[in-house]
Amino acid sequence: NAGVMQNPRHLVRRRGQEARLRCSPMKGHSHVYWYRQLPEEGLKFMVYLQKENIIDESGMPKERFSAEFPKEGPSILRIQQVVRGDSAAYFCASSGSKGNQPQHFGDGTRLSIL
Amino acid sequence: AQSVTQLDSHVSVSEGTPVLLRCNYSSSYSPSLFWYVQHPNKGLQLLLKYTSAATLVKGINGFEAEFKKSETSFHLTKPSAHMSDAAEYFCVVSEGQAGTALIFGKGTTLSVSS
Repeated sequence: NAGVMQNPRHLVRRRGQEARLRCSPMKGHSHVYWYRQLPEEGLKFMVYLQKENIIDESGMPKERFSAEFPKEGPSILRIQQVVRGDSAAYFCASSGSKGNQPQHFGDGTRLSIL
Repeated sequence: AQSVTQLDSHVSVSEGTPVLLRCNYSSSYSPSLFWYVQHPNKGLQLLLKYTSAATLVKGINGFEAEFKKSETSFHLTKPSAHMSDAAEYFCVVSEGQAGTALIFGKGTTLSVSS
């Protein structure tokens, strides 16, 4: 399967724990995006990364959230000290580097906070 | 600033009848426009995209959309609904270049009855 791979598909955490969400982009894609889907809402942009660089993090909450896309390995979205309001579906997308290429999405990680 | 308004949160049709999902956009730039579909507990699949070429865009599964600049609309249509079309549909706008965030509408849930 050459699509965008996200894991885990479902993640349960207790308040105060850390959540790590992983995303491997499509083969040949160098741009990774993270979006969050809250209940009854559309997807909201969080962050855009290229290898070893955060390009746009204008949608990231100021505290507890961080993202990385290392030279080797998947992109990671990390949420520290999770709270109930972090419960959502988190989607990763990837695209090529040329203009007008669409973003392709993974199946998402459903994060539930107890 | 860019924004997207999906005019109906829920649309119900009978199998074999036409589908119309309405979308209006606002953009300071010459936008790229997309329709994505999301089936339950799945990621988003690209249905079609408009990127300043032909104003009538054909997508997968028999869907098409027409870009009307004068009306700032990008409505999604299908001549004959199928049960498998039941899903959530998102109208999306972006500046079009690689690395720009997608702006999502709140979604329209399409129900198809037999």
